[in-house]
Amino acid sequence: KAGVTQTPRYLIKTRGQQVTLSCSPISGHRSVSWYQQTPGQGLQFLFEYFSETQRNKGNFPGRFSGRQFSNSRSEMNVSTLELGDSALYLCASITRTGAPEQYFGPGTRLTVT
Amino acid sequence: ELKVEQNPLFLSMQEGKNYTIYCNYSTTSDRLYWYRQDPGKSLESLFVLLSNGAVKQEGRLMASLDTKARLSTLHITAAVHDLSATYFCAVVFGNEKLTFGTGTRLTIIP
Repeated sequence: KAGVTQTPRYLIKTRGQQVTLSCSPISGHRSVSWYQQTPGQGLQFLFEYFSETQRNKGNFPGRFSGRQFSNSRSEMNVSTLELGDSALYLCASITRTGAPEQYFGPGTRLTVT
Repeated sequence: ELKVEQNPLFLSMQEGKNYTIYCNYSTTSDRLYWYRQDPGKSLESLFVLLSNGAVKQEGRLMASLDTKARLSTLHITAAVHDLSATYFCAVVFGNEKLTFGTGTRLTIIP
């Protein structure tokens, strides 16, 4: 069974640019969550999607947005990048059958210069 | 607002010793997760604890949950070098949003 896929794995952008990150969950999983990990703030929740609907959103500015497609793949977009957006962005694929598990992808490491 | 505290933040221990990592949370939770993270890597799921008194064990790691005390513990038995990593607990309440603890960086010294 294939795991969670995130692309790209590494990204370098300059301030003011925008970026789009992609996440493909485990086959059959319809929920996806996104998290930002930084040394200073730790792991923080960005958003959760289920069947193309955003169900929860964390305390991030409007520059952070996301969406989910009918095949459950999800994208997140960050516009007008700031230095502080440099982080590891993790996507979690959520199973709702049996014991609830959240499986994380390898992450996208974003560096903003 | 749900808050999750872990202690200690850093832990150096000798191989063969036992130790416990503590995870306290501030409000009632539906379930609690433990994850492991190696440097530069993603999060690996270790345990999901669903109910009061739940205990799960895998190899040298054992996790337990006391919902009345709002406390989970991750116990390490006879530590080996391969267990060196950062361990996170994460709590869920009412939805699928994970609120993470600060993490415990564990270093096993030969």
